[in-house]
Amino acid sequence: AQSVTQPDIHITVSEGASLELRCNYSYGATPYLFWYVQSPGQGLQLLLKYFSGDTLVQGIKGFEAEFKRSQSSFNLRKPSVHWSDAAEYFCAVVPITDSWGKLQFGAGTQVVVTP
Amino acid sequence: EAQVTQNPRYLITVTGKKLTVTCSQNMNHEYMSWYRQDPGLGLRQIYYSMNVEVTDKGDVPEGYKVSRKEKRNFPLILESPSPNQTSLYFCASSLSNSGSSHEQFFGPGTRLTVL
Repeated sequence: AQSVTQPDIHITVSEGASLELRCNYSYGATPYLFWYVQSPGQGLQLLLKYFSGDTLVQGIKGFEAEFKRSQSSFNLRKPSVHWSDAAEYFCAVVPITDSWGKLQFGAGTQVVVTP
Repeated sequence: EAQVTQNPRYLITVTGKKLTVTCSQNMNHEYMSWYRQDPGLGLRQIYYSMNVEVTDKGDVPEGYKVSRKEKRNFPLILESPSPNQTSLYFCASSLSNSGSSHEQFFGPGTRLTVL
């Protein structure tokens, strides 16, 4: 079955430490890939996206993500976390075969930043 | 400012009392959709619309209706709300469903409680 998996429900990281959030997908062809962030009480904001080309994608707020076709993964990283990065992060895909462009979301990873 | 707006932001209602959540975008986007967010499930699509008078069901359409009479507006209607529709609802829009236009912009969310 087609799916988007975020294996980590909850991650705690110290301020200034590095962060990596995992995302795996299961689709016949590589879908369009996205990472969104949801700060407390806020809507979703797009961090970055991958459609094709360079497999290392730079986004906003100092985030980057690496697409690895062999692992069907699109992991999100940040070298040094700030307290304001505490939020919920969603990986999402749009299957290339889906002509209506429906976003399929993972369950999300809650990030807690400690002093 | 380009944005997606939703009203109300918070709503507490009782079972069976019809309600409408409005959604409006000012970006002249063709594609609009509604999602609900539940803990551990991420966001799931309820309905989407490709353009005026063109709507279709998403993954969880039961108990919901939509309409698209104008390009900018896409209201979500709950004819007879039930407690299992207690959730956080997001409206989203994108320019179209092709290529890089898959990027969806989200509203701030509507937290609905059905007693």
